[in-house]
Amino acid sequence: NAGVTQTPKFRVLKTGQSMTLLCAQDMNHEYMYWYRQDPGMGLRLIHYSVGEGTTAKGEVPDGYNVSRLKKQNFLLGLESAAPSQTSVYFCASSLRTSTYEQYFGPGTRLTVT
Amino acid sequence: QKEVEQDPGPLSVPEGAIVSLNCTYSNSAFQYFMWYRQYSRKGPELLMYTYSSGNKEDGRFTAQVDKSSKYISLFIRDSQPSDSATYLCAITYSSASKIIFGSGTRLSIRP
Repeated sequence: NAGVTQTPKFRVLKTGQSMTLLCAQDMNHEYMYWYRQDPGMGLRLIHYSVGEGTTAKGEVPDGYNVSRLKKQNFLLGLESAAPSQTSVYFCASSLRTSTYEQYFGPGTRLTVT
Repeated sequence: QKEVEQDPGPLSVPEGAIVSLNCTYSNSAFQYFMWYRQYSRKGPELLMYTYSSGNKEDGRFTAQVDKSSKYISLFIRDSQPSDSATYLCAITYSSASKIIFGSGTRLSIRP
């Protein structure tokens, strides 16, 4: 039982490049989330999904897109990376009935130069 | 005004000390209050949660909610070096709502 996994662990991009971060969970959770964590800012919600085929905007969605084609996977895309998107990205998942208990992946450290 | 405020620290205490970590929040409608622990270069993990007000104890950890003053606390008794981590408070309106996280307090326990 791997829990929540994220790919890749590290990435360096040049401004304007694109990339996709992959999140996978094996707990059959309905809800999945993407957060970014910056020093002094805590965790900020980018996008989330309440089920397969559905996505919604969080607190800081600009510059990102997401897709949830399968229940166990949640993809985060950066179409044209900017230095302001340098951050640590965390994926999380939870049951529909207990969103207070979220399970996090190990994170992806992204640097945009 | 942020919905939840947390002193970022860092906080450094000797091993065995009692640690008190605190957050304040702005909206009395919040019902669930959580503490997540995050070790360096790892994802956060849920440590404890409290529904509504009162205290909850789990081993050396006690979570306390004072809804009248909109204040939440985490106490760690007999602190250990392995407790060194960043502690994030979090709040949510219901069991099916999004979580709002505090900015985290970095705690270091000196052997």
